[in-house]
Amino acid sequence: EAGVAQSPRYKIIEKRQSVAFWCNPISGHATLYWYQQILGQGPKLLIQFQNNGVVDDSQLPKDRFSAERLKGVDSTLKIQPAKLEDSAVYLCASSAWDRTRGEAFFGQGTRLTVV
Amino acid sequence: AQTVTQSQPEMSVQEAETVTLSCTYDTSESDYYLFWYKQPPSRQMILVIRQEAYKQQNATENRFSVNFQKAAKSFSLKISDSQLGDAAMYFCAYRAWETSGSRLTFGEGTQLTVNP
Repeated sequence: EAGVAQSPRYKIIEKRQSVAFWCNPISGHATLYWYQQILGQGPKLLIQFQNNGVVDDSQLPKDRFSAERLKGVDSTLKIQPAKLEDSAVYLCASSAWDRTRGEAFFGQGTRLTVV
Repeated sequence: AQTVTQSQPEMSVQEAETVTLSCTYDTSESDYYLFWYKQPPSRQMILVIRQEAYKQQNATENRFSVNFQKAAKSFSLKISDSQLGDAAMYFCAYRAWETSGSRLTFGEGTQLTVNP
């Protein structure tokens, strides 16, 4: 079974530029999460999708961040314009709607540096 | 809102010894999951162990076991016979089982060092 795929692995941009991250979840997983993890901190949920609908985006800075999940499968997260404080690792995770398991599976993350 | 608290930012253990990482959580839900994830320097998040709240028996996975105290809302991880490869950041996480989908909430993590 293929895992969660994310790209790119690394990205360096200047402040005020835009950037996009891509995530392909595990096949059949209905739930998709995007987390922001600043060095030394726990992951912070940015947005959660259930199929192609948004379940929770309460912590997404909507003035600069946007996300979509196409046809309930792949997802993209965009930042426009980027700020220095957006430097972090962006983690994508997916989970099956399965009462017997419940865990989320994570991709390798995208490390963003804003200079 | 659900919160997860890890009060030990750093812990260290000697190789082959046992260490316990602490976690407390706050929730009004009765049906939920608790997890421990390991994150090495590569930043890949790896599931270590899972506990369903409705199960009274503590989960065990090889050298890893938990002490789940539902009334106290406590969920600690015990690592026995610690190995150098256990060194990593460990995160406690909570997920309620809700019909509309469920947020996975993390604590701030405990950095574990294993000394040879």
